[in-house]
Amino acid sequence: SQKIEQNSEALNIQEGKTATLTCNYTNYSPAYLQWYRQDPGRGPVFLLLIRENEKEKRKERLKVTFDTTLKQSLFHITASQPADSATYLCAHSDSNYQLIWGAGTKLIIKP
Amino acid sequence: KAGVTQTPRYLIKTRGQQVTLSCSPISGHRSVSWYQQTPGQGLQFLFEYFSETQRNKGNFPGRFSGRQFSNSRSEMNVSTLELGDSALYLCASSLDRFTDTQYFGPGTRLTVL
Repeated sequence: SQKIEQNSEALNIQEGKTATLTCNYTNYSPAYLQWYRQDPGRGPVFLLLIRENEKEKRKERLKVTFDTTLKQSLFHITASQPADSATYLCAHSDSNYQLIWGAGTKLIIKP
Repeated sequence: KAGVTQTPRYLIKTRGQQVTLSCSPISGHRSVSWYQQTPGQGLQFLFEYFSETQRNKGNFPGRFSGRQFSNSRSEMNVSTLELGDSALYLCASSLDRFTDTQYFGPGTRLTVL
């Protein structure tokens, strides 16, 4: 079956540094990957979508890369701030047109 | 445009009861999906509706059901509530395809006692 793996361990980063989160997928090469942010008790909020023919996508301090050879997407937050602390989810569509979600990685930015 | 709205925001029920949750999608969005999220768990997909028809379904028992109305508004029903049904229930809408960018509502926090 098709799966997405995200680091289940919380990621602790010092304010001002770059945070890098990983999303690995198996058994299927998606046409695109999506990244979302979720705050406690709230619904996820869409951040970025990257297509298979795009190596990199940027939005302000956010950058996403997509390596179809490694079956991996990396999500970077540069100049991180405590307000960036949240859980970040990745998702992709599979061969059956289902949306597959990772479990999310909790990011903690320490002042 | 107004975002996805869900009502009620909080709900407390007892085992054996049933509950109905409501979701109004973003105007123009025709696909509505429902998810269950419990502490420490990822998003568990329940079902997706498009044009009043259930188009996709996750692996949940028949106690979980839903429907969509002609104005794209959707309801989700859980019958014979169990303690394990306590969760945050999220509704999301997208333009057409289930795999399009999902716009989530604030969720309904259901507690089953």
